[in-house]
Amino acid sequence: SQTIHQWPATLVQPVGSPLSLECTVEGTSNPNLYWYRQAAGRGLQLLFYSVGIGQISSEVPQNLSASRPQDRQFILSSKKLLLSDSGFYLCAWSAHGGNYGYTFGSGTRLTVV
Amino acid sequence: GQNIDQPTEMTATEGAIVQINCTYQTSGFNGLFWYQQHAGEAPTFLSYNVLDGLEEKGRFSSFLSRSKGYSYLLLKELQMKDSASYLCAVRPDDRGSTLGRLYFGRGTQLTVWP
Repeated sequence: SQTIHQWPATLVQPVGSPLSLECTVEGTSNPNLYWYRQAAGRGLQLLFYSVGIGQISSEVPQNLSASRPQDRQFILSSKKLLLSDSGFYLCAWSAHGGNYGYTFGSGTRLTVV
Repeated sequence: GQNIDQPTEMTATEGAIVQINCTYQTSGFNGLFWYQQHAGEAPTFLSYNVLDGLEEKGRFSSFLSRSKGYSYLLLKELQMKDSASYLCAVRPDDRGSTLGRLYFGRGTQLTVWP
């Protein structure tokens, strides 16, 4: 069966510090991968999506970047965090071409102080 | 752009039935999803509609009208554990693409009272 792992669960970082969140998927190959952010009181905002290694599309301009160095690994990064980067970050995967929704990781609660 | 609207909050009592509505305006349409999200947790998949009509899955049912850009999630025999946020999500028509981008509404916070 497929599983998705995301870490860390919580993170408190000072403004201006770097960020690296990692997500890995097991039990499937060539998944579509996604990063979402959920700010307090707001809906899920799609940040990045990827259909394959090295293929990243950004949904909205922001202070973040994403990379996919391996088929089942997706990384969210920032060189210098802003207060507005605080939120609940969720990684998700879906199968190519299927009529399926996303399966989400357990999320990372990021607080920038 | 994508515009997905759903009520912010709803309340109901245990054992009752509640209907959560969702309206959408998207650039194309290739499916509507409902997710449940408990506080501090990741969303979990509830239902999927791509054709008009009602899909029933146990206590939960979801309805879609593509011509009206409208869906609802119906929860029957409410239980305390159903207190959660319910997210409506739409997948645009990415014709020719294998991408399955989903765009989410802000969620409806349902509180079930004893």
